[in-house]
Amino acid sequence: ETGVTQTPRHLVMGMTNKKSLKCEQHLGHNAMYWYKQSAKKPLELMFVYSLEERVENNSVPSRFSPECPNSSHLFLHLHTLQPEDSALYLCASSQDRGGYTDTQYFGPGTRLTVL
Amino acid sequence: AQSVTQLDSQVPVFEEAPVELRCNYSSSVSVYLFWYVQYPNQGLQLLLKYLSGSTLVESINGFEAEFNKSQTSFHLRKPSVHISDTAEYFCAVRETSGSRLTFGEGTQLTVNP
Repeated sequence: ETGVTQTPRHLVMGMTNKKSLKCEQHLGHNAMYWYKQSAKKPLELMFVYSLEERVENNSVPSRFSPECPNSSHLFLHLHTLQPEDSALYLCASSQDRGGYTDTQYFGPGTRLTVL
Repeated sequence: AQSVTQLDSQVPVFEEAPVELRCNYSSSVSVYLFWYVQYPNQGLQLLLKYLSGSTLVESINGFEAEFNKSQTSFHLRKPSVHISDTAEYFCAVRETSGSRLTFGEGTQLTVNP
């Protein structure tokens, strides 16, 4: 595997389900990101992890819970979602050089549908 | 804070025609500029970026973009498009000392035969 991978690629869940999205980067980077892409809206940055520490949380509802167990893996745990949470969830990674961050590389995304 | 405006949400063109996708940004500090491309059912791929040096940057598949500081623009151009260039294109900006990427709303380029 190369680059940034995400699983599953598609997910359909009910509002009472609990599921997790997984992202893995094979680039040796030390920073990882979750974005939400909704139709006709700019990408929304949700969370940023640098050196496995959460450094940014952009007013994301608590029904989204990120986890970064190591620099190569990032999870997004989902519970009691709403239909408006249906979107493409993109993971990205980059090299954080202490105040300067290199280019972000994106995974293919997980298409989430909440019924 | 910075912002990005992509002036056209949809750009339909015929194959082998030239195309320009417009991007304007707003920022109070120095920025880096990026164009990403998203093919159907895929994630974003970096197309090209301006960090410093020559204001004209090129991608391997024939796209180019020019950083114009006075007009705060970073328009993307290609002299002759192919059907395979059909995709959504996102302009993004980032402060030179930061990590946050701010994206535009995207421009859907559709190349017709």
